[in-house]
This record gives sequence, structure tokens and C-alpha cells, in this order.
Amino acid sequence: DTAVSQTPKYLVTQMGNDKSIKCEQNLGHDTMYWYKQDSKKFLKIMFSYNNKELIINETVPNRFSPKSPDKAHLNLHINSLELGDSAVYFCASSQGGTGGRSNSPLHFGNGTRLTVT
Amino acid sequence: GNSVTQMEGPVTLSEEAFLTINCTYTATGYPSLFWYVQYPGEGLQLLLKATKADDKGSNKGFEATYRKETTSFHLEKGSVQVSDSAVYFCALQGYKLSFGAGTTVTVRA
Repeated sequence: DTAVSQTPKYLVTQMGNDKSIKCEQNLGHDTMYWYKQDSKKFLKIMFSYNNKELIINETVPNRFSPKSPDKAHLNLHINSLELGDSAVYFCASSQGGTGGRSNSPLHFGNGTRLTVT
Repeated sequence: GNSVTQMEGPVTLSEEAFLTINCTYTATGYPSLFWYVQYPGEGLQLLLKATKADDKGSNKGFEATYRKETTSFHLEKGSVQVSDSAVYFCALQGYKLSFGAGTTVTVRA
């Protein structure tokens, strides 16, 4: 009955490879997010989707491509992985979107620790 | 633009000590304010929130009051436990949710 689940939990790969992280939420929320957390715990939003439509796309390299097949899923594909991509990636969801239209809190998954060697 | 500044850590306390983590914000309008907590190996979870000036959010013995005049939302707990060891994030809801840098708190028995 996990609310926001992401897989895999750990991902170790070599530079230049392509990898994907999957995220699913069963809360019935209409908005999903990807965040990157660096080694100093700093959180940076990468993308946000509302009803499968991309609404936030921060300054993220084109090698990162989100895909939302439906409201309950938001996957992250990363091409040509680099050492600097090593981080913990969190998926989250909320109801009502962003833009100040909602003060609904975010529900986070437990993260995917990506290590690029 | 919107931003959140919270006190740098790490913070180390003994059990039953008083905890304060300072958070100040810069924003247009009257955003909602949040505190999130991240326990080791887990994602963030909402600790408490306040949606307008003078609101007090509270949960698990933690409290924070939305102070418009000082643009602050400081987190307090009167008597911490070892289980409160975590990273605490202040956040502001504007166009997107803006997080502070996080404060690592360690409580020793």
C-alpha cells in the first residue's frame, strides 16, 4: 500500500550508459514531480507534470527526459550518464498542481540512489 | 523570486533538549509555508504547515508559527528524542515548492 513508489532503489552504472527510473503513485493525485538531491542534501526540482502535461521544466540537461504515460506514473530516462549525475532522485506527487493554486503537501517516494562510475 | 533561508547545521543535541531551527523567507504575496522531515534512507514527509499569517502548525511535538512581520517560520520542539534525528527542510509554496538547504539534527541519548 505504498503511496509513492519508485524503482530501483539503487542504481550503479558506468558513464555513457542510458538508464531509467520508474515512479508510480496510488494516491489519485494529478501532479507528479522529479527532484534531485545532492550529497549536501540540497533539493532541486527538475520536472513537474500535471495531468500528464509538463508544467515545470527547470534548467536540466537534455539528457534527462521525463515521460508520463498517465496521471499515476512519471518515469525519468537519462541518456549518456555522467559522473555529476550521481545523486538521489526523488519522485513526489500532490493534488492540485503548483502555481500557488494549491497548498496541498507533496508526498515523496523513498528515492533512487544513482551512482555513476 | 521566492526563496527560503534556514540555519545551517549540523545541530547536535542531547535528549530532552530544546530544539529551534530558524527559517526566513522572501516571497511575493502570502505563500503557504511547510516543514518537511527526512529520516535516514527515506524520502521527505510533511511535518507541519501553515497557510496564512499567524497560523501555527503543529505535529509530533513540533511547532512553527507563520510570522509575516518577520517573514519567519521557525521550527521548535521542547524536548527532543533520539528518534527526532533527521534532516529538516523549510519550504515555501509559490509557483513551485522552494526548499531551504536542510538542517541535519542529531539527538544523542
